[in-house]
Amino acid sequence: SQTIHQWPATLVQPVGSPLSLECTVEGTSNPNLYWYRQAAGRGLQLLFYSVGIGQISSEVPQNLSASRPQDRQFILSSKKLLLSDSGFYLCAWSSGTAYGDEAFFGQGTRLTVV
Amino acid sequence: GEDVEQSLFLSVREGDSSVINCTYTDSSSTYLYWYKQEPGAGLQLLTYIFSNMDMKQDQRLTVLLNKKDKHLSLRIADTQTGDSAIYFCAEGGFKTIFGAGTRLFVKA
Repeated sequence: SQTIHQWPATLVQPVGSPLSLECTVEGTSNPNLYWYRQAAGRGLQLLFYSVGIGQISSEVPQNLSASRPQDRQFILSSKKLLLSDSGFYLCAWSSGTAYGDEAFFGQGTRLTVV
Repeated sequence: GEDVEQSLFLSVREGDSSVINCTYTDSSSTYLYWYKQEPGAGLQLLTYIFSNMDMKQDQRLTVLLNKKDKHLSLRIADTQTGDSAIYFCAEGGFKTIFGAGTRLFVKA
């Protein structure tokens, strides 16, 4: 069966510090991978998605970047965190069929930038 | 571009029915989804409907789809306190687009 792991679960970082959140998927190959952010009191915003190794699409301009060094690994990074980067970050995967499919989510990382 | 809209809050009494509404823009979506998010957790798929269906019933859940108006709704019968959560409408395609989520409050 497929599983998705995301860590850490919580993170408190000072403004200006770097960030690295990691997500790995097991039990499937060539998944579509996604990073979403859920800001406090707001909805779910798609940040990045990837259809393959090294292929990253950014949905909104921001202080963050994403990388996919391996087929089932997706990393969210920042060189210098801003206060506005605080939020709940969710990694997800889907099988990537052209006609739509279920997205499976990790448990999320709650990031607080202080 | 794609857009999914839904109301942000809904409050119901325990035992009543809840109806959460959603509108979407991408008429090519083959699947439309409802996800549930418990406090502090990730999202989990609650139910989905194929775009060629008008209605789907799954125990206490009823999904209605009006393709002409691009309107999707989720009805929860006999709402319980355990149903309190955020419910996300989503349209599936190459990438899944989510609405902002409707926070359901269930009062005992």
